Amino acid sequence: QKEVEQNSGPLSVPEGAIASLNCTYSDRVSQSFFWYRQYSGKSPELIMSIYSNGDKEDGRFTAQLNKASQYVSLLIRDSQPSDSATYLCAVNRDTGFQKLVFGTGTRLLVSP
Amino acid sequence: DARVTQTPRHKVTEMGQEVTMRCQPILGHNTVFWYRQTMMQGLELLAYFRNRAPLDDSGMPKDRFSAEMPDATLATLKIQPSEPRDSAVYFCASGLVPESARGYTFGSGTRLTVV
Repeated sequence: QKEVEQNSGPLSVPEGAIASLNCTYSDRVSQSFFWYRQYSGKSPELIMSIYSNGDKEDGRFTAQLNKASQYVSLLIRDSQPSDSATYLCAVNRDTGFQKLVFGTGTRLLVSP
Repeated sequence: DARVTQTPRHKVTEMGQEVTMRCQPILGHNTVFWYRQTMMQGLELLAYFRNRAPLDDSGMPKDRFSAEMPDATLATLKIQPSEPRDSAVYFCASGLVPESARGYTFGSGTRLTVV
């Protein structure tokens, strides 16, 4: 079982719709959770982080965390063509050996 | 904006040659990661350092890969000898722990092609 799992996609949504990206993780010790966006040929850039159960909103982005289910998601409201990218979920421990482990990413396509 | 600097951006080399990739982390960051990204495997963690000390390099093929951090401003990843299967984009990322909740900043990557 991979430590962090994501559906590779592509996830196709029309412009203006809500895109929902999901991620599950296997290490129950994980405490910090991140969503990175990666455009083709570019490096990953951090867009959201979440540490507590529940929702965290930042502009059009909402991260949701459920530690009991070992599940984290990212919602993108009012999706724009410029949101088309690969979204990487990453998890990190806050104790012991902290290593940031990534999922393989979900490719999002937003059509005009 | 503070940034992680990686050199070279691109490298084409022949099989068997030594390759050295360099990373300058953001000033003040105490944690450095090396990742390799391929289409098939995604981002694989190769090694990481805390306060220049190697904490985990279990993701790295030990017979040909080595990672060092000779000082706080430089991390290196070396492949000797290189093989075609090493062709990938190698990323360095840095961050500050215990404030890791802020996430880690990636460099632009080194695109390595071994022919």
